[in-house]
Amino acid sequence: AQKITQTQPGMFVQEKEAVTLDCTYDTSDPSYGLFWYKQPSSGEMIFLIYQGSYDQQNATEGRYSLNFQKARKSANLVISASQLGDSAMYFCAMREGVQAGTALIFGKGTTLSVSS
Amino acid sequence: EAQVTQNPRYLITVTGKKLTVTCSQNMNHEYMSWYRQDPGLGLRQIYYSMNVEVTDKGDVPEGYKVSRKEKRNFPLILESPSPNQTSLYFCASSPRSVGGAAETQYFGPGTRLLVL
Repeated sequence: AQKITQTQPGMFVQEKEAVTLDCTYDTSDPSYGLFWYKQPSSGEMIFLIYQGSYDQQNATEGRYSLNFQKARKSANLVISASQLGDSAMYFCAMREGVQAGTALIFGKGTTLSVSS
Repeated sequence: EAQVTQNPRYLITVTGKKLTVTCSQNMNHEYMSWYRQDPGLGLRQIYYSMNVEVTDKGDVPEGYKVSRKEKRNFPLILESPSPNQTSLYFCASSPRSVGGAAETQYFGPGTRLLVL
């Protein structure tokens, strides 16, 4: 079974609209971390936002917020007021366990296209 | 500037010709890792290192070797490359913290490898 599932291969949105990218995860470990990365066409991986399994509040970083629903095992990324520069591939990832530095498990990604 | 660097960024080679992709980080991170990215598969971990002289296999280690003689460097070695190793490769590093956002893995710019 996949540990990270991103069900949307592609999403299309207009500038200034909000968009939600879905991510569900599967783990039996009570301690885990959830990450979102952005990969523009140039290829680099850019860290966007992090949510810890014990964090009480949803993480926010500027226009990015993470809608963390622990019981449903979902960690959706919300981008408010989309910009053309948001067009990219977005990856959800998870680290299991408390030992820092362990491997990130990645989903297959969602391609976001923002149009004017 | 804190960064992870990889060289070369692009490489075309032929089957069986040994190659090394270098990775270096200037953040004094203990943890370093190599991933490969393939279309439709997301990123998968090849090898990782928790510290100098400590390395271990990730999910897809076959055909690869690594070494960690210095804290800042973590080269990826393909002794006899094959066409199925054509991929986009990322090096990443993170501190060995107690968890949380500080454990975010920082990625290098990627190396695009084509094996003919």
